[in-house]
Amino acid sequence: EAQVTQNPRYLITVTGKKLTVTCSQNMNHEYMSWYRQDPGLGLRQIYYSMNVEVTDKGDVPEGYKVSRKEKRNFPLILESPSPNQTSLYFCASSLYPQVLAKNIQYFGAGTRLSVL
Amino acid sequence: AQKITQTQPGMFVQEKEAVTLDCTYDTSDQSYGLFWYKQPSSGEMIFLIYQGSYDEQNATEGRYSLNFQKARKSANLVISASQLGDSAMYFCAMREGARSGGGADGLTFGKGTHLIIQP
Repeated sequence: EAQVTQNPRYLITVTGKKLTVTCSQNMNHEYMSWYRQDPGLGLRQIYYSMNVEVTDKGDVPEGYKVSRKEKRNFPLILESPSPNQTSLYFCASSLYPQVLAKNIQYFGAGTRLSVL
Repeated sequence: AQKITQTQPGMFVQEKEAVTLDCTYDTSDQSYGLFWYKQPSSGEMIFLIYQGSYDEQNATEGRYSLNFQKARKSANLVISASQLGDSAMYFCAMREGARSGGGADGLTFGKGTHLIIQP
């Protein structure tokens, strides 16, 4: 089954304790992206990757790191989490980076993170 | 200025009625894509329908159709014969061309419309 898989689905942690949220896709997609969703703000892009070893900042990258060492994986790293990073996080992927016909972004199920 | 505007924070609709969810967008790009996603209470984001800026016909996917009015920069989602399972948050999103600094961009989302279907 074609899918984007995020782990964990739920995470409660404390301020300053490094964490990683994994994301994997099995569709051979070139483009992958991380978003966070906050009430009243909708979804905002954190980082994206057009291909292996190519990453770039989205609209809200502060406090996050990413890596793209393999095409299928795009982990999100919080080196020193803070309470303002409490949010619902989504990983997404699409076949190509460009705006092409029906270049749909498919989303993972989400990771709900609470930083105490 | 917001790039995607959804003016209806919430809507109540009777089951089996048709629903129109509003979305207006702002872009100077000629090439862009418009998307609608559904987010049920379980939290996942489900792709519904896509409209490309050069598509001459309105997109349709089953009970979903997109009323695309390019001159007005609007891309309203129409759900025909609504069902109880349609109750969810609905997000309009846009994907523009390359950023001025090069590279691709992601989706820009509106703040969503909370649709509740009543029996």
